Amino acid sequence: QLQLQESGPGLVKPSETLSLTCTVSGGSISSSDYYWGWVRQSPGKGLEWIGSIYYSGSTYYNPSLKSRVTISVDTSKNQFSLTLTSVTAADTAVYFCARDSPPLVPYANWGQGTLVTVSS
Amino acid sequence: DVRMTQSPSTLSASVGDRVTITCRASQSISNWLAWYQYKPGKAPKLLIYKASNLESGVPSRFTGSGFGTDFTLTINSLQPDDVATYYCQQYNSNFYSFGQGTKLEIK
Repeated sequence: QLQLQESGPGLVKPSETLSLTCTVSGGSISSSDYYWGWVRQSPGKGLEWIGSIYYSGSTYYNPSLKSRVTISVDTSKNQFSLTLTSVTAADTAVYFCARDSPPLVPYANWGQGTLVTVSS
Repeated sequence: DVRMTQSPSTLSASVGDRVTITCRASQSISNWLAWYQYKPGKAPKLLIYKASNLESGVPSRFTGSGFGTDFTLTINSLQPDDVATYYCQQYNSNFYSFGQGTKLEIK
């Protein structure tokens, strides 16, 4: 059974870099059938798509975050990661990782989410 | 960018009611539209994909329809467990986007 698990610091200081990792178990991140993505939900706001990565390293980012976001994949560890630079309080959110089965089915599998708070 | 607009933002209905949520895309997305149910503290749950296809395990009281720019999610016979925020998502290209959400409450 596929499982995704987010991990990383729960507190990040303003202007610093947020780094999260999603560990995939019960399936291979190297499968050509899937993309892997990040979505966040800020307090009082809706879901926001951050970006996606393919096992080959191809990436797609939300244009509004593109200048600050990097998503990478480590196939040897069956993990993919999110880096968000120059964070502000507006980046405080629950961050989810998810699996995408294009073109037909979007995010059917999700991690449980991890809260990241940006505060000094 | 494809912008997704949902209405209403909040909705209050009684158990047993039929509820409809609409989602409009800023440009045609064919039928590359999904609906999710989100409850705080949980992961979003995929309900509908490709506008009208019910995800496995989702109750049949959830139905989706639409094509192009206008889409609807209908919940027949509303249940207390349906209290949640519902989001549409377009995946017409590799750049996805969500609607702003519709918060559903029970009267």
